[in-house]
Amino acid sequence: AAGVIQSPRHLIKEKRETATLKCYPIPRHDTVYWYQQGPGQDPQFLISFYEKMQSDKGSIPDRFSAQQFSDYHSELNMSSLELGDSALYFCASSHGRLGSMTGGIQYFGAGTRLSVL
Amino acid sequence: DQQVKQNSPSLSVQEGRISILNCDYTNSMFDYFLWYKKYPAEGPTFLISISSIKDKNEDGRFTVFLNKSAKHLSLHIVPSQPGDSAVYFCAASATGNQFYFGTGTSLTVIP
Repeated sequence: AAGVIQSPRHLIKEKRETATLKCYPIPRHDTVYWYQQGPGQDPQFLISFYEKMQSDKGSIPDRFSAQQFSDYHSELNMSSLELGDSALYFCASSHGRLGSMTGGIQYFGAGTRLSVL
Repeated sequence: DQQVKQNSPSLSVQEGRISILNCDYTNSMFDYFLWYKKYPAEGPTFLISISSIKDKNEDGRFTVFLNKSAKHLSLHIVPSQPGDSAVYFCAASATGNQFYFGTGTSLTVIP
């Protein structure tokens, strides 16, 4: 079965550079979520999109932006990178929202490991 | 402020015995809870869920118990198998799409 695909798997950037992370949800999933997991920490919710519109916003820095495109894939754009941005970035997708028949269960990609030097 | 807490960072269990992973939360508005399993170099995999209208949900070897008054949920795995060795995250949501994750418990099942 098709899963959530994230690219790239690994990314190395220097301070003040920009980075773009891509997420391709499971086919027919309409909601995409972005999480950031620092070393030894729990995944922190950044932002989510439902039907190409931003639906929820978490602890996403102003230096980051994201969008969901017409084909439902999503991109997380990160500018002015800082050392503290080094983390594992997960994307998840779901079909429908909580309270819907499908319950909005999130399925995760393998993550993009970003290292800022 | 950590709204979902998993106070045991690690747990070791003998194969065939029961594994019990615990999770506590502080937000009484949380009404939907999930458990995820994560292997190294992979994303979290959904395991089992429970809504606040239930106090137990069972799926094969996995059972999740919810105690709303204590704001506590637990995941029971019985019998435990070596392939269950992974990091387990609990997550909670308050009828929205924003989930709050615990810090995870690393389970090791000893053959």
